[in-house]
Amino acid sequence: NAGVTQTPKFQVLKTGQSMTLQCAQDMNHNSMYWYRQDPGMGLRLIYYSASEGTTDKGEVPNGYNVSRLNKREFSLRLESAAPSQTSVYFCASSFRVDNEQFFGPGTRLTVL
Amino acid sequence: EDQVTQSPEALRLQEGESSSLNCSYTVSGLRGLFWYRQDPGKGPEFLFTLYSAGEEKEKERLKATLTKKESFLHITAPKPEDSATYLCAGRGFKTIFGAGTRLFVKA
Repeated sequence: NAGVTQTPKFQVLKTGQSMTLQCAQDMNHNSMYWYRQDPGMGLRLIYYSASEGTTDKGEVPNGYNVSRLNKREFSLRLESAAPSQTSVYFCASSFRVDNEQFFGPGTRLTVL
Repeated sequence: EDQVTQSPEALRLQEGESSSLNCSYTVSGLRGLFWYRQDPGKGPEFLFTLYSAGEEKEKERLKATLTKKESFLHITAPKPEDSATYLCAGRGFKTIFGAGTRLFVKA
Protein backbone atom coordinates (compact mmCIF):
# COMPACT_ATOMS: atom_id res chain seq x y z
CA ASN A 1 0.00 0.00 0.00
CA ALA A 2 2.08 2.94 -1.30
CA GLY A 3 -0.37 5.74 -0.35
CA VAL A 4 0.23 8.85 -2.48
CA THR A 5 3.13 8.76 -4.94
CA GLN A 6 4.56 11.66 -6.94
CA THR A 7 7.01 11.83 -9.82
CA PRO A 8 9.51 13.26 -10.33
CA LYS A 9 11.10 14.02 -6.94
CA PHE A 10 13.28 16.81 -8.31
CA GLN A 11 13.18 18.86 -11.51
CA VAL A 12 15.07 21.82 -12.93
CA LEU A 13 13.50 23.73 -15.82
CA LYS A 14 14.44 26.74 -17.88
CA THR A 15 12.00 29.62 -18.20
CA GLY A 16 9.42 28.81 -20.86
CA GLN A 17 9.78 25.04 -20.70
CA SER A 18 6.78 22.84 -19.95
CA MET A 19 6.39 19.79 -17.76
CA THR A 20 3.82 17.58 -16.10
CA LEU A 21 3.90 16.45 -12.48
CA GLN A 22 2.32 13.07 -11.90
CA CYS A 23 0.40 11.91 -8.83
CA ALA A 24 -1.28 8.61 -8.03
CA GLN A 25 -3.06 7.23 -4.95
CA ASP A 26 -4.02 3.65 -4.10
CA MET A 27 -6.42 4.36 -1.21
CA ASN A 28 -9.60 4.50 -3.31
CA HIS A 29 -10.02 8.17 -2.42
CA ASN A 30 -12.50 10.32 -4.29
CA SER A 31 -10.82 13.71 -3.87
CA MET A 32 -7.34 14.83 -4.94
CA TYR A 33 -5.42 18.09 -4.59
CA TRP A 34 -2.34 19.96 -5.77
CA TYR A 35 -0.58 22.40 -3.42
CA ARG A 36 2.55 24.48 -3.56
CA GLN A 37 4.59 25.24 -0.46
CA ASP A 38 6.84 28.27 -0.24
CA PRO A 39 8.86 29.40 2.80
CA GLY A 40 6.75 31.38 5.27
CA MET A 41 3.56 30.99 3.20
CA GLY A 42 2.31 27.56 4.12
CA LEU A 43 0.47 25.30 1.72
CA ARG A 44 -1.53 27.02 -0.99
CA LEU A 45 -4.09 25.14 -3.04
CA ILE A 46 -3.55 25.25 -6.80
CA TYR A 47 -6.34 22.97 -8.09
CA TYR A 48 -8.43 20.19 -6.68
CA SER A 49 -10.70 17.44 -7.92
CA ALA A 50 -13.61 16.67 -5.60
CA SER A 51 -14.44 13.51 -7.53
CA GLU A 52 -13.48 11.75 -10.74
CA GLY A 53 -14.50 13.89 -13.70
CA THR A 54 -14.44 17.25 -11.89
CA THR A 55 -11.72 19.84 -11.31
CA ASP A 56 -11.84 23.27 -9.65
CA LYS A 57 -9.48 26.18 -9.14
CA GLY A 58 -7.90 26.78 -5.79
CA GLU A 59 -6.18 29.85 -4.41
CA VAL A 60 -3.30 30.12 -6.95
CA PRO A 61 -4.32 28.48 -10.28
CA ASN A 62 -2.68 30.89 -12.74
CA GLY A 63 0.00 29.26 -14.90
CA TYR A 64 -1.19 25.71 -14.17
CA ASN A 65 -3.56 23.15 -15.63
CA VAL A 66 -4.72 19.82 -14.24
CA SER A 67 -6.15 16.56 -15.48
CA ARG A 68 -8.00 13.97 -13.41
CA LEU A 69 -7.06 11.02 -15.57
CA ASN A 70 -9.05 8.46 -13.57
CA LYS A 71 -9.92 7.89 -9.93
CA ARG A 72 -6.29 7.12 -9.03
CA GLU A 73 -4.35 9.74 -11.00
CA PHE A 74 -4.25 13.55 -10.97
CA SER A 75 -1.62 15.43 -12.97
CA LEU A 76 -0.44 19.04 -12.84
CA ARG A 77 0.93 20.75 -15.95
CA LEU A 78 3.07 23.85 -16.25
CA GLU A 79 2.71 25.04 -19.85
CA SER A 80 5.39 27.76 -19.78
CA ALA A 81 7.40 27.69 -16.57
CA ALA A 82 8.37 30.94 -14.83
CA PRO A 83 10.87 31.54 -11.99
CA SER A 84 7.90 32.42 -9.72
CA GLN A 85 6.84 28.77 -10.00
CA THR A 86 9.97 27.59 -8.19
CA SER A 87 8.50 25.77 -5.21
CA VAL A 88 7.81 22.42 -3.60
CA TYR A 89 4.66 20.82 -5.00
CA PHE A 90 2.57 18.38 -2.99
CA CYS A 91 -0.22 16.15 -4.16
CA ALA A 92 -2.78 14.97 -1.62
CA SER A 93 -5.89 12.83 -1.53
CA SER A 94 -8.86 12.31 0.79
CA PHE A 95 -11.91 10.07 0.89
CA ARG A 96 -14.14 13.13 0.47
CA VAL A 97 -13.39 16.87 0.48
CA ASP A 98 -14.35 17.22 4.16
CA ASN A 99 -11.98 14.48 5.32
CA GLU A 100 -8.34 14.52 6.35
CA GLN A 101 -5.85 14.61 3.51
CA PHE A 102 -2.93 12.28 2.87
CA PHE A 103 0.10 13.79 1.20
CA GLY A 104 2.74 12.56 -1.19
CA PRO A 105 6.48 13.14 -0.67
CA GLY A 106 6.62 16.25 -2.87
CA THR A 107 8.35 17.46 -6.03
CA ARG A 108 11.06 20.08 -5.69
CA LEU A 109 10.92 22.28 -8.79
CA THR A 110 13.44 24.96 -9.73
CA VAL A 111 12.81 27.26 -12.69
CA LEU A 112 15.89 29.13 -13.89
CA GLU B 1 -12.44 35.78 3.91
CA ASP B 2 -11.45 32.56 5.67
CA GLN B 3 -8.14 32.72 7.49
CA VAL B 4 -5.94 30.46 9.63
CA THR B 5 -3.08 31.93 11.67
CA GLN B 6 -0.55 29.94 13.68
CA SER B 7 1.68 31.16 16.50
CA PRO B 8 4.44 31.23 17.36
CA GLU B 9 6.33 30.88 14.07
CA ALA B 10 9.06 28.95 15.88
CA LEU B 11 9.33 27.43 19.35
CA ARG B 12 12.43 26.10 21.04
CA LEU B 13 11.97 23.78 24.03
CA GLN B 14 14.16 21.71 26.27
CA GLU B 15 13.34 18.02 26.43
CA GLY B 16 10.55 17.57 28.99
CA GLU B 17 9.42 21.21 28.83
CA SER B 18 5.69 21.17 28.04
CA SER B 19 4.10 23.90 25.89
CA SER B 20 1.26 24.71 23.49
CA LEU B 21 0.99 25.76 19.85
CA ASN B 22 -1.84 28.06 18.82
CA CYS B 23 -4.05 28.03 15.72
CA SER B 24 -6.50 30.94 15.41
CA TYR B 25 -9.13 30.62 12.72
CA THR B 26 -11.93 32.53 11.06
CA VAL B 27 -13.61 29.94 8.86
CA SER B 28 -17.25 30.26 7.88
CA GLY B 29 -19.21 27.12 8.66
CA LEU B 30 -16.25 25.19 10.03
CA ARG B 31 -16.56 21.55 9.04
CA GLY B 32 -13.31 20.39 10.57
CA LEU B 33 -10.02 21.62 12.08
CA PHE B 34 -7.04 19.47 11.15
CA TRP B 35 -3.54 19.15 12.59
CA TYR B 36 -0.60 17.77 10.63
CA ARG B 37 3.07 17.14 11.34
CA GLN B 38 5.69 17.83 8.65
CA ASP B 39 9.30 16.64 8.86
CA PRO B 40 11.96 18.37 6.73
CA GLY B 41 11.87 17.24 3.11
CA LYS B 42 8.64 15.27 3.53
CA GLY B 43 4.93 15.73 3.00
CA PRO B 44 2.60 16.59 5.90
CA GLU B 45 1.36 13.67 7.99
CA PHE B 46 -2.16 13.73 9.43
CA LEU B 47 -2.49 13.88 13.23
CA PHE B 48 -6.01 14.92 14.34
CA THR B 49 -9.40 16.16 13.20
CA LEU B 50 -11.60 18.22 15.54
CA TYR B 51 -15.18 19.01 14.63
CA SER B 52 -16.80 21.01 17.42
CA ALA B 53 -15.86 23.36 20.27
CA GLY B 54 -14.91 21.48 23.40
CA GLU B 55 -13.63 18.45 21.54
CA GLU B 56 -10.24 17.01 22.52
CA LYS B 57 -8.08 14.30 20.96
CA GLU B 58 -4.85 12.73 22.19
CA LYS B 59 -2.00 10.77 20.69
CA GLU B 60 1.06 9.94 22.77
CA ARG B 61 2.49 13.29 23.98
CA LEU B 62 0.14 15.40 21.84
CA LYS B 63 -3.32 16.68 22.71
CA ALA B 64 -5.42 18.87 20.41
CA THR B 65 -8.28 21.03 21.66
CA LEU B 66 -10.81 23.26 19.92
CA THR B 67 -12.75 26.39 20.88
CA LYS B 68 -14.97 28.55 18.67
CA LYS B 69 -12.01 30.71 17.64
CA GLU B 70 -8.84 28.72 18.34
CA SER B 71 -7.26 25.31 18.45
CA PHE B 72 -4.32 24.36 20.61
CA LEU B 73 -1.81 21.57 20.21
CA HIS B 74 -0.46 20.76 23.66
CA ILE B 75 2.85 18.93 23.83
CA THR B 76 3.56 17.21 27.14
CA ALA B 77 7.15 16.37 28.09
CA PRO B 78 8.43 16.63 24.50
CA LYS B 79 11.33 14.59 23.16
CA PRO B 80 13.82 15.54 20.43
CA GLU B 81 11.92 13.32 17.97
CA ASP B 82 8.92 15.66 18.33
CA SER B 83 10.92 18.32 16.46
CA ALA B 84 9.00 19.12 13.27
CA THR B 85 6.74 21.74 11.73
CA TYR B 86 3.13 21.49 12.91
CA LEU B 87 0.43 22.70 10.53
CA CYS B 88 -3.21 23.37 11.22
CA ALA B 89 -5.93 23.68 8.58
CA GLY B 90 -9.56 24.76 8.71
CA ARG B 91 -12.20 23.28 6.43
CA GLY B 92 -15.12 25.53 5.47
CA PHE B 93 -16.02 25.83 1.81
CA LYS B 94 -12.37 24.94 1.14
CA THR B 95 -9.45 23.86 3.28
CA ILE B 96 -7.13 26.69 4.36
CA PHE B 97 -3.71 25.92 5.89
CA GLY B 98 -1.79 28.03 8.37
CA ALA B 99 1.90 28.78 7.80
CA GLY B 100 2.96 26.37 10.55
CA THR B 101 4.94 26.40 13.79
CA ARG B 102 8.48 25.04 13.68
CA LEU B 103 9.18 23.15 16.90
CA PHE B 104 12.72 22.42 18.04
CA VAL B 105 13.22 20.16 21.08
CA LYS B 106 16.73 20.03 22.51
CA ALA B 107 17.98 17.04 24.50
